[in-house]
Amino acid sequence: AQSVTQPDIHITVSEGASLELRCNYSYGATPYLFWYVQSPGQGLQLLLKYFSGDTLVQGIKGFEAEFKRSQSSFNLRKPSVHWSDAAEYFCAVGSYNQGGKLIFGQGTELSVKP
Amino acid sequence: DSGVTQTPKHLITATGQRVTLRCSPRSGDLSVYWYQQSLDQGLQFLIQYYNGEERAKGNILERFSAQQFPDLHSELNLSSLELGDSALYFCASSVNTGGEETQYFGPGTRLLVL
Repeated sequence: AQSVTQPDIHITVSEGASLELRCNYSYGATPYLFWYVQSPGQGLQLLLKYFSGDTLVQGIKGFEAEFKRSQSSFNLRKPSVHWSDAAEYFCAVGSYNQGGKLIFGQGTELSVKP
Repeated sequence: DSGVTQTPKHLITATGQRVTLRCSPRSGDLSVYWYQQSLDQGLQFLIQYYNGEERAKGNILERFSAQQFPDLHSELNLSSLELGDSALYFCASSVNTGGEETQYFGPGTRLLVL
């Protein structure tokens, strides 16, 4: 079955510290991978995406993610977290062959300590 | 701002009632997706329309229906509402470039069924 797992429900980091949010997927077809962020009361904003090519992708707000096919992972990283990064982060997987619908992980809530 | 608009932002109604949620995609996007976000189920794909035609169905209840109009806006109709239908409903539109499809989400409609 197709699924996306975000093992960490809640993470707290100090402002200025580095961040890594984990995402593992199980998907039969060649996957496309996305990270979205949702601030309280807001919609989903696209942070970055991976379709093919370079496995390290850069996104907005200083985020990056690395696709590791051997580990079925697409972890999100940021070298220095800002207080405004506090939000919920969702990993999603899709495939052109599957009609384009996205399967989302359960989300990781990020809190930032001053 | 993703360019996807949804109305209304909030909706409060009673069990047994019917509501209509509206979505306007980004200019030029032909695909519209509907997702439901609830605490127990997370983000779930409901249905996709492409240029007026239904393309894919997910976990959409029979009480729910959708359509996409010639001007490409879409409506999601929810009928015989139950308490469990309370959720955040997102619309997304997408551009497909050579098989690589990116979905951009609207701000959502928060539905509360009392």
